[in-house]
Amino acid sequence: EAGVAQSPRYKIIEKRQSVAFWCNPISGHATLYWYQQILGQGPKLLIQFQNNGVVDDSQLPKDRFSAERLKGVDSTLKIQPAKLEDSAVYLCASSLDGAGNQPQHFGDGTRLSIL
Amino acid sequence: DQQVKQNSPSLSVQEGRISILNCDYTNSMFDYFLWYKKYPAEGPTFLISISSIKDKNEDGRFTVFLNKSAKHLSLHIVPSQPGDSAVYFCAASKDSGYALNFGKGTSLLVTP
Repeated sequence: EAGVAQSPRYKIIEKRQSVAFWCNPISGHATLYWYQQILGQGPKLLIQFQNNGVVDDSQLPKDRFSAERLKGVDSTLKIQPAKLEDSAVYLCASSLDGAGNQPQHFGDGTRLSIL
Repeated sequence: DQQVKQNSPSLSVQEGRISILNCDYTNSMFDYFLWYKKYPAEGPTFLISISSIKDKNEDGRFTVFLNKSAKHLSLHIVPSQPGDSAVYFCAASKDSGYALNFGKGTSLLVTP
């Protein structure tokens, strides 16, 4: 089966600009997650969707970050305006339906550099 | 606050020997634990998991041990192979439907 797809793989922007990332989860996976991984750290959750509803966005900096999952499939994550501390790898993950012991499967991420 | 801790940033092991990676957690509500393996420029790949009702889970060369009273888990790789060289992340959640809390990772190097 095809894995989690993310694009772009790399993005370089200047601070105060905006940027958007796209994620296509594994087919049939109802739960989708966006994580931020800063260099030297483990991934940290930004937002979790169940179908097209938000389950947890408590760690999303809502003044600059937004995410949506229209139609419960693809998702986009946006940063506007970007700050230097947003330089990180943004990982998308999906899991089947969030019930039972099912692992999350990750995409290869988007590496964002802020100049 | 870091609820999942991997106190060894790196580990070097000879090919054929056992690799033991350790992880500690502080949140007693965690009941689902996973290990992920990550190569450079790739996303984390699921390796093995364990729920809190078990104390051991095996999958081929990989075994995860859970000690709930000590809030400690470990990943054993036997025998270690050069292809196992990667960063290993320990992760935990209250349930598989919740977001994962990750440690900072341990970089494993398996030398020939």
